[in-house]
Amino acid sequence: SSELTQDPAVSVALGQTVRITCQGDSLRSYYAAWYQQKPGQAPVLVIHGKNNRPSGIPDRFSVSNSGNTASLTITGAQAEDEADYYCNSRDSRRNHLMFLFGAGTKVTVL
Amino acid sequence: EVQLVESGGGSVQPGRSQRLSCVASGFIFDDYAMHWVRQTPGTGLEWVSGLSWNSDSIAYADSVKGRFTISRDNAKNSLYLEMNSLRPEDTALYYCVGSRCSGGTCYFEMWGQGTPVTVSS
Repeated sequence: SSELTQDPAVSVALGQTVRITCQGDSLRSYYAAWYQQKPGQAPVLVIHGKNNRPSGIPDRFSVSNSGNTASLTITGAQAEDEADYYCNSRDSRRNHLMFLFGAGTKVTVL
Repeated sequence: EVQLVESGGGSVQPGRSQRLSCVASGFIFDDYAMHWVRQTPGTGLEWVSGLSWNSDSIAYADSVKGRFTISRDNAKNSLYLEMNSLRPEDTALYYCVGSRCSGGTCYFEMWGQGTPVTVSS
C-alpha cells in the first residue's frame, strides 16, 4: 500500500534508549527521513538516508533500515527529545516528486 | 540565516480561492525542489504538492489535484500555491518546504513557520 505506518506513541525513561519504527512498501526503494516536531513549532529534519544528521543534531539519533522498515533510535534520551517524530519517503508507486508521511509517533521522556 | 516565510493564509469561504506565497532567503533557492506540506491542528503532516528546481516536474496529492496549482519564481526566490474550490477539509497550517536528494533518499531540509488557512462558512 502507498502509506507509511508508525506506532502512535512510545515512552522512554530519561537516559534510556527508544526505537521508533516506520513501515511501508516505499521503504524497500527509498530510505526514510525523520523529523522532530515540538508543540507550536515547525518540524525539524533530524536524520535521513543511512545515517545523515544535519548540523546541530546530536549523535544520539541514529537510523537503521531493513526491508520495508526504517527505525529511528534515540540512545540516551534527554528531556528535550520529547516530541512528535515523523518519517517520510518518496512514494515509490507514484511520481518521483510525490512524498508520504507517517502519522507520527509521540515520544514521552519519563 | 536560512529563512522561508509564508504568507497569504487566512479565513475563506468554501468554494472560494486563496493564494499562498513563500519567500526564501539565506540559501540558493534554485538548488532546491520546493513543496507545500500541511498539518491540521492536532494531527499529522500531509504532503500537498511539490515542484522541481526548474518547474519541469510537478506533482500533487490526490486530495488537491485539479484544485491547487503550485509554481515558483526563481528570480524572486518565491514559491506559490494557488488554491481553488476550497473545502473545509483544506483547513490546515501550510508549510513551505525545501528538499534535496542524496544517497538514495530525498529529505525536507528547510521548513517555514507555516501560514494558517481556515475554510469555513
